[in-house]
Amino acid sequence: QQPVQSPQAVILREGEDAVINCSSSKALYSVHWYRQKHGEAPVFLMILLKGGEQKGHEKISASFNEKKQQSSLYLTASQLSYSGTYFCGALSGGGADGLTFGKGTHLIIQP
Amino acid sequence: DAGVIQSPRHEVTEMGQEVTLRCKPISGHNSLFWYRQTMMRGLELLIYFNNNVPIDDSGMPEDRFSAKMPNASFSTLKIQPSEPRDSAVYFCASSLGGGKRAKNIQYFGAGTRLSVL
Repeated sequence: QQPVQSPQAVILREGEDAVINCSSSKALYSVHWYRQKHGEAPVFLMILLKGGEQKGHEKISASFNEKKQQSSLYLTASQLSYSGTYFCGALSGGGADGLTFGKGTHLIIQP
Repeated sequence: DAGVIQSPRHEVTEMGQEVTLRCKPISGHNSLFWYRQTMMRGLELLIYFNNNVPIDDSGMPEDRFSAKMPNASFSTLKIQPSEPRDSAVYFCASSLGGGKRAKNIQYFGAGTRLSVL
């Protein structure tokens, strides 16, 4: 089952903050966040692991609530370059390494 | 580092034709993934390989789809025969797998945009 992302879309002014949420019905080993610009490949932003470990972008932060199987991505002081579609990818149990992605959150930053 | 390389970038074909998509993973990576992206279904995992061996192909939609990885630096995704509903962007990704797999970051290629007429 796909993780559920919210909101589906958000429009911000440059400098404003945004939060993108991702929730799963399955227990998660890790959550991976990607950003995709139109016509381009998804680009890795951050990975959050069980136990609180994180690896990723300096200007983007995220949280991972293992009990609730939820993750949130925080974009602060947004820049025009942050525009794109953000995907969360969930890695669940069972030994499978492939990610199950949410349907994405479209973020538009206006000057 | 050249990143994940996919070819062709665009493919237009007629229904019933065979289509072969190609992928060269990042050197040294031992896990390779094929994803399909459509507006309706989003980004879906089709199949992934670890050390050239297919591990999970549960996402392959039908027998018309097949994937191979003959060596560590090359993989193909074949559709035969192709149908209009196969039109999508197909991405290949690779990672340095093994060990604590939950940390394995996947790096995506630029994708192949397939149009089946």
